[in-house]
Amino acid sequence: EVQLVQSGAEVKKPGESLKISCKGSGYSFTTYWIAWVRQMPGKGLEWMGIIYPGDSDTRYSPSFRGQVTISADKSISTAYLQWSSLKASDTAVYYCVASYNYWGQGTLVTVSS
Amino acid sequence: SYELTQPPSVSVSPGQTARITCSGDALPKKYAYWYQQKSGQAPVLVIYEDSKRPSGIPERFSGSSSGTVATLTIIGAQVEDEADYYCYSTDSSENHWVFGGGTKLTVL
Repeated sequence: EVQLVQSGAEVKKPGESLKISCKGSGYSFTTYWIAWVRQMPGKGLEWMGIIYPGDSDTRYSPSFRGQVTISADKSISTAYLQWSSLKASDTAVYYCVASYNYWGQGTLVTVSS
Repeated sequence: SYELTQPPSVSVSPGQTARITCSGDALPKKYAYWYQQKSGQAPVLVIYEDSKRPSGIPERFSGSSSGTVATLTIIGAQVEDEADYYCYSTDSSENHWVFGGGTKLTVL
């Protein structure tokens, strides 16, 4: 069974850094592209970017390029989403998605002073 | 940047047919995918590659695409189908994917 398990909820202050994770199991991790999706409170889904774990080929939405970094470590079947300096507007649930069909449970990131 | 356009809301009575549209310039050449999201839950894929239904999705869900418009149809909508629905596709370069703005389906 394909599963994506994300790291737990985070509470951070503006200006802090953060790296959240998404661990795949039940399939060959290099088989599927993995996308990251943001959902701000009460709002719709936003595609942030995508990575191919096999060679770390990465594409970003123009809205998120330079704001976040997507990476992957295929040796431990894990993809990452990271921020170097969080803003209050980064408060959202973040999902990882493999091959359209397989979603992580979501990671709630709260940024507040 | 590329955009997919959906109506903000659709409302039907139980047993009626609900149709949710998604407009995008690249849809004649790129597949559309549809997700259902209920409150507080992760999205669930209900249609992929325009018209294919994943296992476990009821037959009342179907998809089609013609020109620049993809359509999700629910024949005989049920109360439990109340949710937000999102279309998902890529631009012509396949470098950027995008979600539509979402459609809130009300069945009552």
